[in-house]
Amino acid sequence: DAGVIQSPRHEVTEMGQEVTLRCKPISGHNSLFWYRQTMMRGLELLIYFNNNVPIDDSGMPEDRFSAKMPNASFSTLKIQPSEPRDSAVYFCASSSSNQPQHFGDGTRLSIL
Amino acid sequence: TQLLEQSPQFLSIQEGENLTVYCNSSSVFSSLQWYRQEPGEGPVLLVTVVTGGEVKKLKRLTFQFGDARKDSSLHITAAQPGDTGLYLCAGLTTGGATNKLIFGTGTLLAVQP
Repeated sequence: DAGVIQSPRHEVTEMGQEVTLRCKPISGHNSLFWYRQTMMRGLELLIYFNNNVPIDDSGMPEDRFSAKMPNASFSTLKIQPSEPRDSAVYFCASSSSNQPQHFGDGTRLSIL
Repeated sequence: TQLLEQSPQFLSIQEGENLTVYCNSSSVFSSLQWYRQEPGEGPVLLVTVVTGGEVKKLKRLTFQFGDARKDSSLHITAAQPGDTGLYLCAGLTTGGATNKLIFGTGTLLAVQP
């Protein structure tokens, strides 16, 4: 079975550029989560969706960050404009209701 | 704000030694999960503990949930190099039909052969 698929695996870009991270959840899962992991702050929940609807975006750092889930098989996390402090590993996870979350392998983002 | 503190942050031991990792919070969680993360990969679930005082064993790993469901521990017996990785505890908060995880600060374990 295919797990959670994230793309790209690595992204290096200059500050000010728009960055789009993509996630394909496991088929049949109705919850999707975006996390950010850094050495300083650990693994933080940014936003999660249930049945394609954003439920809690309280972890989104600021207005430069936005996330969408246009359908059950695709989600994006966008940063515009990007800043060096956004450099981190971004993870997507999915789950069925009340079941454990399955994580993708992450996108390592470097903003120069 | 719910916080989960793990200790120690870093641990470097020799193969065959025993170790314990602690996960502490002032908040009560409905359940607590332990994950292991290897470089370049996402966290992988090891176990979920639900009942206060519960003990679960996974081969050489023993997980315990505190009686008050605020803390947990992970004990590894006779550690092996394959146990190397980042260990994360995560408290589960339930809101509606979705499980929201609060992750701990992490313990980076290195087992030297």
